[in-house]
Amino acid sequence: AQTVTQSQPEMSVQEAETVTLSCTYDTSESDYYLFWYKQPPSRQMILVIRQEAYKQQNATENRFSVNFQKAAKSFSLKISDSQLGDAAMYFCAYRRGSQGNLIFGKGTKLSVKP
Amino acid sequence: DGGITQSPKYLFRKEGQNVTLSCEQNLNHDAMYWYRQDPGQGLRLIYYSQIVNDFQKGDIAEGYSVSREKKESFPLTVTSAQKNPTAFYLCASSANQDRVRLRGANVLTFGAGSRLTVL
Repeated sequence: AQTVTQSQPEMSVQEAETVTLSCTYDTSESDYYLFWYKQPPSRQMILVIRQEAYKQQNATENRFSVNFQKAAKSFSLKISDSQLGDAAMYFCAYRRGSQGNLIFGKGTKLSVKP
Repeated sequence: DGGITQSPKYLFRKEGQNVTLSCEQNLNHDAMYWYRQDPGQGLRLIYYSQIVNDFQKGDIAEGYSVSREKKESFPLTVTSAQKNPTAFYLCASSANQDRVRLRGANVLTFGAGSRLTVL
């Protein structure tokens, strides 16, 4: 069975600095997708970034980028120039193939200090 | 605007009562999902449906039931058999694979959630 592990229950970053959130996953599949979702205090789940396993290039969305290491089954999220609005729970998620349910990690709570 | 609407946002239930959480989407998505979120547990899949009139159990389906009579709607019933129903419930939807191929990797779009408390 596929699993997703986020080893950092909580992280803290100074405003304008850079922080990296870790995620590892376990799968024997070759076709899969990886996602990072953000859940602010409102509890609305918001997609941050996604990565197709067949793509070697790391995905980037403005201040958010990933370091996808397929062989190591690692999918970390880097947030550059951190802002107060980045404070939230961040969930890493795995999806086998292009459809179907997501398997989530337990989340990392990110605090941003002014 | 297209999106997913969950209701009610807050719900209180007495022990022994069944309650139904509503989930409606106008995104024309074929697949719909119900997740449960507990502190420190992440999101766990309860049920999902890839097409109308069909659904499958997720990892924690015991004590829950669903129906998918319409493409837009996927209500979740929390029955009295659910031993610890107090939690935050999230509904999500996604496009099917054929439509996905035209746009690349699809994603799950989530509703705002429903908080259920058993008194």
